[in-house]
Amino acid sequence: GAGVSQSPSNKVTEKGKDVELRCDPISGHTALYWYRQRLGQGLEFLIYFQGNSAPDKSGLPSDRFSAERTGESVSTLTIQRTQQEDSAVYLCASSLQGRFLNEQFFGPGTRLTVL
Amino acid sequence: AQSVTQLDSQVPVFEEAPVELRCNYSSSVSVYLFWYVQYPNQGLQLLLKYLSGSTLVKGINGFEAEFNKSQTSFHLRKPSVHISDTAEYFCAVKAYGGSQGNLIFGKGTKLSVKP
Repeated sequence: GAGVSQSPSNKVTEKGKDVELRCDPISGHTALYWYRQRLGQGLEFLIYFQGNSAPDKSGLPSDRFSAERTGESVSTLTIQRTQQEDSAVYLCASSLQGRFLNEQFFGPGTRLTVL
Repeated sequence: AQSVTQLDSQVPVFEEAPVELRCNYSSSVSVYLFWYVQYPNQGLQLLLKYLSGSTLVKGINGFEAEFNKSQTSFHLRKPSVHISDTAEYFCAVKAYGGSQGNLIFGKGTKLSVKP
């Protein structure tokens, strides 16, 4: 079956521009996560959506970052006024539920390069 | 709060040799433990997880890990590696209970298997 998909796979942008990254979770997965992986670093949690509950935004590094999710489907991560330190691979994952021990399935990521 | 330390950023090893990738964690509460693998140009894939019960956990591709509570470790091992095991390996933890679903990741260990 289809896994988690992300688009675009690569994005090059100029400093100061806004970017939007998309995640399509596995159908039926109520939980969705965004992580960031900077070069030489582990995955850094950004935001978590669980069903219709208010998202957990505790990992967002600044107010330039925001994310939306429509119901239990597509999510978009938006970075406004990009900076060079935003360059990273942005990973999306989904699971059946967030609270319990369901496996998180990861997408291939979007590699963002800010020039 | 939880944290994960992967002591080796890179591990080179010859084919058919044994390998151990080290992971230590810090947490004020009990945790669940995971190892993920990321093959080149692919998304993260769950290798194995420790939830409860036997401290020796077996995963896919012949990997196993042992949970040691007193040493707060969860080292990953394989008795004989293949070229195809070349990948980056991430150790992760998730706190018991609570409403948050996100994982806390280590910085990763790049395993390079040479012929």
